[in-house]
Amino acid sequence: KNEVEQSPQNLTAQEGEFITINCSYSVGISALHWLQQHPGGGIVSLFMLSSGKKKHGRLIATINIQEKHSSLHITASHPRDSAVYICAVTYTGNQFYFGTGTSLTVIP
Amino acid sequence: DTAVSQTPKYLVTQMGNDKSIKCEQNLGHDTMYWYKQDSKKFLKIMFSYNNKELIINETVPNRFSPKSPDKAHLNLHINSLELGDSAVYFCASSQERGLAPYNEQFFGPGTRLTVL
Repeated sequence: KNEVEQSPQNLTAQEGEFITINCSYSVGISALHWLQQHPGGGIVSLFMLSSGKKKHGRLIATINIQEKHSSLHITASHPRDSAVYICAVTYTGNQFYFGTGTSLTVIP
Repeated sequence: DTAVSQTPKYLVTQMGNDKSIKCEQNLGHDTMYWYKQDSKKFLKIMFSYNNKELIINETVPNRFSPKSPDKAHLNLHINSLELGDSAVYFCASSQERGLAPYNEQFFGPGTRLTVL
Protein backbone atom coordinates (compact mmCIF):
# COMPACT_ATOMS: atom_id res chain seq x y z
CA LYS A 1 0.00 0.00 0.00
CA ASN A 2 1.10 3.51 -0.76
CA GLU A 3 2.71 5.43 2.06
CA VAL A 4 2.57 9.19 2.15
CA GLU A 5 5.13 11.04 4.21
CA GLN A 6 5.23 14.72 4.98
CA SER A 7 7.92 16.91 6.43
CA PRO A 8 8.28 18.77 8.61
CA GLN A 9 5.60 17.69 11.07
CA ASN A 10 5.62 21.09 12.76
CA LEU A 11 6.81 24.40 11.41
CA THR A 12 6.99 27.84 13.00
CA ALA A 13 7.82 30.83 10.85
CA GLN A 14 7.98 34.58 11.15
CA GLU A 15 5.52 36.60 9.14
CA GLY A 16 6.88 37.23 5.67
CA GLU A 17 9.04 34.13 5.47
CA PHE A 18 9.02 31.74 2.51
CA ILE A 19 7.70 28.34 3.60
CA THR A 20 8.15 24.90 2.04
CA ILE A 21 6.31 21.74 3.03
CA ASN A 22 7.32 18.45 1.46
CA CYS A 23 5.41 15.30 0.58
CA SER A 24 6.79 11.98 -0.64
CA TYR A 25 4.95 8.87 -1.69
CA SER A 26 6.10 5.35 -2.40
CA VAL A 27 4.17 4.08 -5.44
CA GLY A 28 2.78 5.53 -8.62
CA ILE A 29 -0.24 7.77 -8.21
CA SER A 30 -2.85 9.31 -10.46
CA ALA A 31 -3.08 12.61 -8.59
CA LEU A 32 -1.76 14.41 -5.54
CA HIS A 33 -3.78 16.85 -3.49
CA TRP A 34 -2.84 19.52 -1.00
CA LEU A 35 -5.44 20.28 1.66
CA GLN A 36 -5.62 22.88 4.37
CA GLN A 37 -7.27 22.19 7.71
CA HIS A 38 -8.14 25.34 9.59
CA PRO A 39 -7.76 25.62 13.36
CA GLY A 40 -11.54 25.32 13.56
CA GLY A 41 -11.33 21.91 11.86
CA GLY A 42 -12.68 22.61 8.37
CA ILE A 43 -10.82 21.07 5.43
CA VAL A 44 -10.33 22.89 2.15
CA SER A 45 -8.80 21.60 -1.03
CA LEU A 46 -5.92 23.82 -2.18
CA PHE A 47 -4.46 22.04 -5.18
CA MET A 48 -4.85 18.94 -7.26
CA LEU A 49 -1.76 17.97 -9.28
CA SER A 50 -0.81 15.24 -11.67
CA SER A 51 2.27 16.95 -13.11
CA GLY A 52 4.19 20.22 -13.12
CA LYS A 53 3.26 23.20 -11.05
CA LYS A 54 0.22 25.18 -10.00
CA LYS A 55 -0.06 28.62 -8.43
CA HIS A 56 -2.88 30.27 -6.56
CA GLY A 57 -2.16 33.61 -4.96
CA ARG A 58 0.77 33.16 -2.58
CA LEU A 59 0.57 29.38 -2.76
CA ILE A 60 2.58 27.29 -5.20
CA ALA A 61 2.47 23.51 -5.53
CA THR A 62 4.90 21.42 -7.54
CA ILE A 63 5.16 17.72 -8.24
CA ASN A 64 7.98 15.58 -9.60
CA ILE A 65 6.47 12.30 -10.76
CA GLN A 66 9.83 10.58 -11.32
CA GLU A 67 11.02 11.40 -7.80
CA LYS A 68 7.56 10.79 -6.28
CA HIS A 69 7.74 14.09 -4.47
CA SER A 70 5.66 17.22 -4.14
CA SER A 71 6.22 20.54 -2.42
CA LEU A 72 3.85 23.22 -1.22
CA HIS A 73 5.33 26.70 -1.00
CA ILE A 74 3.87 29.75 0.70
CA THR A 75 5.40 33.09 -0.20
CA ALA A 76 5.21 36.11 2.13
CA SER A 77 3.62 34.04 4.88
CA HIS A 78 0.98 35.60 7.08
CA PRO A 79 -0.50 34.59 10.45
CA ARG A 80 -3.75 33.65 8.71
CA ASP A 81 -1.78 30.91 6.90
CA SER A 82 -1.49 29.11 10.25
CA ALA A 83 -3.17 25.75 9.73
CA VAL A 84 -2.45 22.08 9.17
CA TYR A 85 -1.44 21.30 5.59
CA ILE A 86 -2.19 17.78 4.43
CA CYS A 87 -0.90 15.94 1.40
CA ALA A 88 -3.15 13.24 -0.05
CA VAL A 89 -2.80 10.92 -3.04
CA THR A 90 -5.16 8.96 -5.20
CA TYR A 91 -4.16 6.06 -7.38
CA THR A 92 -6.48 3.42 -8.79
CA GLY A 93 -9.64 4.84 -7.22
CA ASN A 94 -10.95 8.19 -6.10
CA GLN A 95 -10.31 7.73 -2.40
CA PHE A 96 -7.67 9.80 -0.67
CA TYR A 97 -4.71 8.40 1.21
CA PHE A 98 -3.33 11.03 3.52
CA GLY A 99 -0.02 12.12 4.89
CA THR A 100 0.28 12.91 8.56
CA GLY A 101 0.00 16.64 8.05
CA THR A 102 2.25 19.60 8.74
CA SER A 103 1.19 22.01 11.45
CA LEU A 104 2.22 25.54 10.45
CA THR A 105 2.28 28.49 12.82
CA VAL A 106 3.13 31.92 11.44
CA ILE A 107 4.09 34.44 14.09
CA PRO A 108 3.43 38.15 13.54
CA ASP B 1 -25.05 27.91 0.25
CA THR B 2 -23.29 25.09 2.05
CA ALA B 3 -21.82 22.61 -0.44
CA VAL B 4 -21.34 19.64 1.91
CA SER B 5 -23.16 19.66 5.23
CA GLN B 6 -23.04 17.29 8.16
CA THR B 7 -25.24 16.93 11.21
CA PRO B 8 -24.73 16.95 14.05
CA LYS B 9 -21.53 18.92 14.51
CA TYR B 10 -20.97 17.44 17.97
CA LEU B 11 -22.20 14.11 19.28
CA VAL B 12 -21.61 12.88 22.82
CA THR B 13 -22.93 9.46 23.70
CA GLN B 14 -22.46 6.46 25.93
CA MET B 15 -20.67 3.25 25.03
CA GLY B 16 -22.98 0.67 23.51
CA ASN B 17 -25.36 3.17 21.97
CA ASP B 18 -26.29 3.34 18.29
CA LYS B 19 -25.95 6.68 16.53
CA SER B 20 -26.09 8.21 13.04
CA ILE B 21 -24.32 11.07 11.33
CA LYS B 22 -25.95 12.62 8.29
CA CYS B 23 -24.23 14.09 5.24
CA GLU B 24 -25.73 15.97 2.34
CA GLN B 25 -24.13 17.58 -0.70
CA ASN B 26 -25.78 20.01 -3.09
CA LEU B 27 -23.03 19.95 -5.71
CA GLY B 28 -24.57 17.27 -7.90
CA HIS B 29 -21.55 15.04 -7.30
CA ASP B 30 -21.85 11.31 -7.81
CA THR B 31 -19.26 10.10 -5.31
CA MET B 32 -19.31 10.60 -1.56
CA TYR B 33 -16.88 9.56 1.15
CA TRP B 34 -16.56 9.12 4.88
CA TYR B 35 -13.22 9.78 6.55
CA LYS B 36 -12.17 9.36 10.17
CA GLN B 37 -9.68 11.70 11.83
CA ASP B 38 -8.20 10.23 14.97
CA SER B 39 -6.85 11.96 18.06
CA LYS B 40 -3.48 12.36 16.35
CA LYS B 41 -5.20 14.23 13.52
CA PHE B 42 -4.51 11.47 11.03
CA LEU B 43 -7.18 11.12 8.34
CA LYS B 44 -8.20 7.76 6.95
CA ILE B 45 -10.75 6.70 4.34
CA MET B 46 -13.67 4.65 5.67
CA PHE B 47 -16.15 4.41 2.79
CA SER B 48 -16.74 5.65 -0.69
CA TYR B 49 -20.09 5.57 -2.48
CA ASN B 50 -20.52 6.10 -6.21
CA ASN B 51 -24.04 6.40 -7.56
CA LYS B 52 -25.43 4.79 -4.41
CA GLU B 53 -23.11 1.80 -4.59
CA LEU B 54 -20.35 1.06 -2.12
CA ILE B 55 -17.07 0.98 -3.97
CA ILE B 56 -14.61 0.78 -1.12
CA ASN B 57 -14.55 -0.30 2.50
CA GLU B 58 -11.16 0.06 4.13
CA THR B 59 -11.48 -2.74 6.70
CA VAL B 60 -13.85 -0.74 8.84
CA PRO B 61 -15.68 -2.78 11.51
CA ASN B 62 -19.13 -3.87 10.44
CA ARG B 63 -20.59 -1.83 13.29
CA PHE B 64 -20.19 1.04 10.85
CA SER B 65 -22.67 1.01 7.99
CA PRO B 66 -23.05 3.72 5.36
CA LYS B 67 -26.51 4.30 3.97
CA SER B 68 -27.13 6.28 0.81
CA PRO B 69 -30.84 6.97 0.13
CA ASP B 70 -29.89 8.99 -2.96
CA LYS B 71 -26.72 10.34 -4.50
CA ALA B 72 -26.94 13.60 -2.54
CA HIS B 73 -26.88 11.86 0.86
CA LEU B 74 -24.50 9.47 2.56
CA ASN B 75 -25.31 8.77 6.18
CA LEU B 76 -23.11 6.89 8.61
CA HIS B 77 -24.71 4.56 11.14
CA ILE B 78 -22.65 3.25 14.02
CA ASN B 79 -23.88 0.43 16.22
CA SER B 80 -22.63 -0.54 19.67
CA LEU B 81 -20.34 2.45 20.01
CA GLU B 82 -16.93 1.89 21.56
CA LEU B 83 -14.50 4.28 23.22
CA GLY B 84 -12.15 3.94 20.25
CA ASP B 85 -14.81 5.32 17.93
CA SER B 86 -14.24 8.77 19.40
CA ALA B 87 -12.91 10.88 16.54
CA VAL B 88 -13.89 13.53 14.05
CA TYR B 89 -15.77 12.13 11.05
CA PHE B 90 -15.64 14.00 7.77
CA CYS B 91 -17.92 13.56 4.83
CA ALA B 92 -16.72 14.61 1.37
CA SER B 93 -17.91 14.50 -2.21
CA SER B 94 -16.43 14.62 -5.68
CA GLN B 95 -17.44 14.22 -9.29
CA GLU B 96 -15.86 11.32 -11.08
CA ARG B 97 -14.74 12.21 -14.59
CA GLY B 98 -14.75 8.98 -16.53
CA LEU B 99 -11.82 6.77 -15.60
CA ALA B 100 -9.48 9.56 -14.51
CA PRO B 101 -9.74 10.17 -10.79
CA TYR B 102 -8.60 13.76 -11.03
CA ASN B 103 -11.31 14.86 -8.67
CA GLU B 104 -11.25 17.70 -6.26
CA GLN B 105 -12.99 16.69 -3.09
CA PHE B 106 -15.20 19.00 -1.08
CA PHE B 107 -15.33 18.33 2.63
CA GLY B 108 -18.06 18.78 5.18
CA PRO B 109 -17.32 20.60 8.44
CA GLY B 110 -16.84 17.39 10.39
CA THR B 111 -18.70 15.72 13.26
CA ARG B 112 -16.86 15.37 16.54
CA LEU B 113 -18.00 12.11 18.15
CA THR B 114 -17.18 11.52 21.80
CA VAL B 115 -17.98 8.15 23.32
CA LEU B 116 -18.02 8.08 27.11
